[in-house]
Parts: sequence; C-alpha cells; structure tokens
Amino acid sequence: DAGITQSPRHKVTETGTPVTLRCHQTENHRYMYWYRQDPGHGLRLIHYSYGVKDTDKGEVSDGYSVSRSKTEDFLLTLESATSSQTSVYFCAISDSGRDQETQYFGPGTRLLVL
Amino acid sequence: AQSVSQHNHHVILSEAASLELGCNYSYGGTVNLFWYVQYPGQHLQLLLKYFSGDPLVKGIKGFEAEFIKSKFSFNLRKPSVQWSDTAEYFCAVTPTGGGADGLTFGKGTHLIIQP
Repeated sequence: DAGITQSPRHKVTETGTPVTLRCHQTENHRYMYWYRQDPGHGLRLIHYSYGVKDTDKGEVSDGYSVSRSKTEDFLLTLESATSSQTSVYFCAISDSGRDQETQYFGPGTRLLVL
Repeated sequence: AQSVSQHNHHVILSEAASLELGCNYSYGGTVNLFWYVQYPGQHLQLLLKYFSGDPLVKGIKGFEAEFIKSKFSFNLRKPSVQWSDTAEYFCAVTPTGGGADGLTFGKGTHLIIQP
C-alpha cells in the first residue's frame, strides 16, 4: 500500500464549525487529491494539487479550501461545515511521468456534520 | 468534460459464477481507464488499468478488462467469483496526458457473492 495516512479517521462536528482534514504521504509524490464519496455518486473530486502551493478546483469545490505548504501534506478545510458535507473523504496521490494518472488512495476520513 | 456510466448498481452472484461489470465512458479524446475495488470498510485499491497497447488487460485477483474503443467501453470480467470478491467496484477515466488533474468515477457497482 502507498504510504498515505489521513487524520482524523472519524470526526463528528456541528454545523457552522470549521473542520480541517489532513493527508500525509511518505512517497514524495507530486500530485495530491481530495475526493468525497457519497452513496449513489461514487467519488467526486474536490480539489487537487500539482505541487507545493499549487492547487486547483475540482468538480465539487464549493465550501472547501485546501493548502499545501509541504510536499508531504495536503490539508482540506471546511470553512463552515454544513450537513451536506457529511461524507467520507479520501485523499489520493500520484507520481510524475508515465504513470502519473494512476492514483493511490488513503484510508479515508468519515465526517458527520450534525 | 468526461463522464463514466456503470450499468449495474447492484449485482448478486453465487460463488463460481462468471462476472462481467459494464463501464462506458464519454470523452472526445484518448483516455486512460481504471477499475478500483473497495472492500467493506476499506479504501480504494487499484485492480487494473489501461493506458495503451493490448486492449485486454489483466489485473490482480484474477480480474481482467477489455477496452473496446469503438464502444467506449471498459468492462470488467472474472471467470469464477469467490465470496471474498464481495465489494464495491468503480470504473474511472482520465484524459491521456491530462496533467494528472483528477479521475472521473462512475457511481459504482455493489457486488455481493453468495456462498
């Protein structure tokens, strides 16, 4: 398995509170991604990063922000959590070069917004 | 933008049955194609991928998939399933050379294998 950890693994929070999820990799891969997984929707891309301080929006970026100050860490922040953001959040990484489109996934963070 | 359609949301099979899960994509250019599996309570694991070359690709755990360009399809197959294949299966696509800007996933197929 790729060296990807996510923290926390489970979180319960209240509507309106800020929440930050962390993804940490030990593979020194250039690209990092945040997805959310919801029943009936599969996985949808929230934000991604193609290098330190280089990020871009995905399909469902509204209400989320990201930061990447180091190669190994990619943070996802919910500025003011809403119940619609209750989901399972997966981080993924991929390397440069020929195989860069192959993504490897972390264990996920289960978030419940009450 | 690309999209992915998985035909069956739920499939129930008996052990030793043959499996075929459908996947079709929509995109005007060349693509890379993937199948991922998610066992209950676990993260996604790569089953197999197609970038170019032989359209029949073999993956882990006895799975294979065939890319049929004319049909925009990438169906997953296994000749004889086992109870341990119970999981959710996702087809995904990304444009070739897309600069690693993210995968587009289908909605998944929940496979249940009955002993």
